[in-house]
Amino acid sequence: DAGVIQSPRHEVTEMGQEVTLRCKPISGHNSLFWYRQTMMRGLELLIYFNNNVPIDDSGMPEDRFSAKMPNASFSTLKIQPSEPRDSAVYFCASTYLGGGLGEQFFGPGTRLTVL
Amino acid sequence: AQSVTQPDIHITVSEGASLELRCNYSYGATPYLFWYVQSPGQGLQLLLKYFSGDTLVQGIKGFEAEFKRSQSSFNLRKPSVHWSDAAEYFCAVGLNNAGNMLTFGGGTRLMVKP
Repeated sequence: DAGVIQSPRHEVTEMGQEVTLRCKPISGHNSLFWYRQTMMRGLELLIYFNNNVPIDDSGMPEDRFSAKMPNASFSTLKIQPSEPRDSAVYFCASTYLGGGLGEQFFGPGTRLTVL
Repeated sequence: AQSVTQPDIHITVSEGASLELRCNYSYGATPYLFWYVQSPGQGLQLLLKYFSGDTLVQGIKGFEAEFKRSQSSFNLRKPSVHWSDAAEYFCAVGLNNAGNMLTFGGGTRLMVKP
């Protein structure tokens, strides 16, 4: 398996622009997570989905952030409009929600820079 | 709510020396416990996990961790550190009734001196 795939790997944009981050989870996994990592705040869970349904979005910073999972093999995290404080590395992770708590597999991340 | 504390933000050890990274959690029952490693510019990779049973768990790359319920700890150890172990290490706790959600500690950055 190719693992969790994220695109783009790097994104540089200007303040006010819309940014869309993409994630393809591991085939067969039914839980997907979006995290943000910064020096100041560490690794934060933004939102997670089970079976394509958003379960907990309490970590989403504000209404400028939105996430979707239209099917089991694709998810997006959108920031509109973007701000310099959104600069961070965004990780997507997936796992199989079955009889117990499974390992989360992380993608390589998208490094976002908002100028 | 559960929480995870990694008291050491940075640790420097000499190559070949032993290593122990501390992790304390706060939760009312036995959680699921994980250690992840993040190399520069990379995503997180699972080193080991504890769900139940033997409290000493073995992981990849020669790492092990011991769950101590009385101390609410899950410290990571390695008997002899290699230069390639330089990375950031994250402890995480999960709840089976929380849909696989994990809470991560702040991380410990390990530097290895030659």
